Amino acid sequence: SQQGEEDPQALSIQEGENATMNCSYKTSINNLQWYRQNSGRGLVHLILIRSNEREKHSGRLRVTLDTSKKSSSLLITASRAADTASYFCATDARGNFGNEKLTFGTGTRLTIIP
Amino acid sequence: DVKVTQSSRYLVKRTGEKVFLECVQDMDHENMFWYRQDPGLGLRLIYFSYDVKMKEKGDIPEGYSVSREKKERFSLILESASTNQTSMYLCASSPQGEGETQYFGPGTRLLVL
Repeated sequence: SQQGEEDPQALSIQEGENATMNCSYKTSINNLQWYRQNSGRGLVHLILIRSNEREKHSGRLRVTLDTSKKSSSLLITASRAADTASYFCATDARGNFGNEKLTFGTGTRLTIIP
Repeated sequence: DVKVTQSSRYLVKRTGEKVFLECVQDMDHENMFWYRQDPGLGLRLIYFSYDVKMKEKGDIPEGYSVSREKKERFSLILESASTNQTSMYLCASSPQGEGETQYFGPGTRLLVL
């Protein structure tokens, strides 16, 4: 089942502008992660935010989490052509023996126009 | 650096063939995962394993099986490949624990004719 839904599905902006992507999820979580995928490659972890955190920064990335609305946003400031990629949110879930697994959303395709 | 490798980047198989996709990680991670990725559907979990010889079904296990005989290796098996299994397959590994990062391989693009 898809836990996370990203919005928008696709986003095109000019280089230097800020890009904001949103993620909504359905059940309670312990943490939420954001991943990036360059075309045709594997995913790379960007940032994790825990359920008791509201905001987190890493370089040009800013993530917010609103557990009351079950939503998160990823902001990329001062975008660069190299930021062109797909971005996925992932929420934690538990397997039958308590082991953590992730449920990924459908992703936002970000295109930075030089 | 964590490294997750997958045996093939591209694979073409015929309907009905038995297909093996291999994944190896070099970081002694307990957890390993197999996903498939399709346009508009994101990543969907097929199977995962949290220990040698231990496995658990994900969201879409039908038509697949897995094998984990050694800690570093997790194999995905398509017993009888079908055209609807044409997809991108991604393997990942992570340490045991909460909030751990998953490390992904480069993916295998499988085409079933």
